[in-house]
Amino acid sequence: DAGITQSPRHKVTETGTPVTLRCHQTENHRYMYWYRQDPGHGLRLIHYSYGVKDTDKGEVSDGYSVSRSKTEDFLLTLESATSSQTSVYFCATRAGIHGYTFGSGTRLTVV
Amino acid sequence: AQSVSQHNHHVILSEAASLELGCNYSYGGTVNLFWYVQYPGQHLQLLLKYFSGDPLVKGIKGFEAEFIKSKFSFNLRKPSVQWSDTAEYFCAVNGENTDKLIFGTGTRLQVFP
Repeated sequence: DAGITQSPRHKVTETGTPVTLRCHQTENHRYMYWYRQDPGHGLRLIHYSYGVKDTDKGEVSDGYSVSRSKTEDFLLTLESATSSQTSVYFCATRAGIHGYTFGSGTRLTVV
Repeated sequence: AQSVSQHNHHVILSEAASLELGCNYSYGGTVNLFWYVQYPGQHLQLLLKYFSGDPLVKGIKGFEAEFIKSKFSFNLRKPSVQWSDTAEYFCAVNGENTDKLIFGTGTRLQVFP
């Protein structure tokens, strides 16, 4: 969707290196989310944010941290990437009763 | 905690066949329910959603879903599928008193001409 931009779109990194994925929105939505998608697991919630500097853990938060210093940006950091974190990462935003909007995804490969 | 189960992992149909994909959720309160579709190589798109009111919800591309509260179910249906419906379908639930959208594991649908 035009209101959400994820960067980078693709990344290959080495085990043990830090990685930061960025989600940028132009819709001024309060809620933002990071999911990972893996075959057989669907989408699993990693972390979410309900406002600037307000974040909480999701289902699979171990090994990930997030930050939200501005309404429009939600960063996901892998402090020390592992092969098990190879996945497709989706960002989403929510605006009240209108449901959720998803970004185009970031394909991360950890070698 | 809320959870979602999709029992059909892989469904194969011929064009014009009818479709029903199962979705059951677990949550001890009011829920908002969603079906999303993901075409190959693309991101998720909303098919339909239920917040309140008529339990039979109509979405895009001829899809509909029925919320049956007593069965904790929100099954997706389409009377006649097309080859272009080949995709992965995800059911999701958002409990009223939570900020989280939780997904099922998805159903891969293949439609053959």
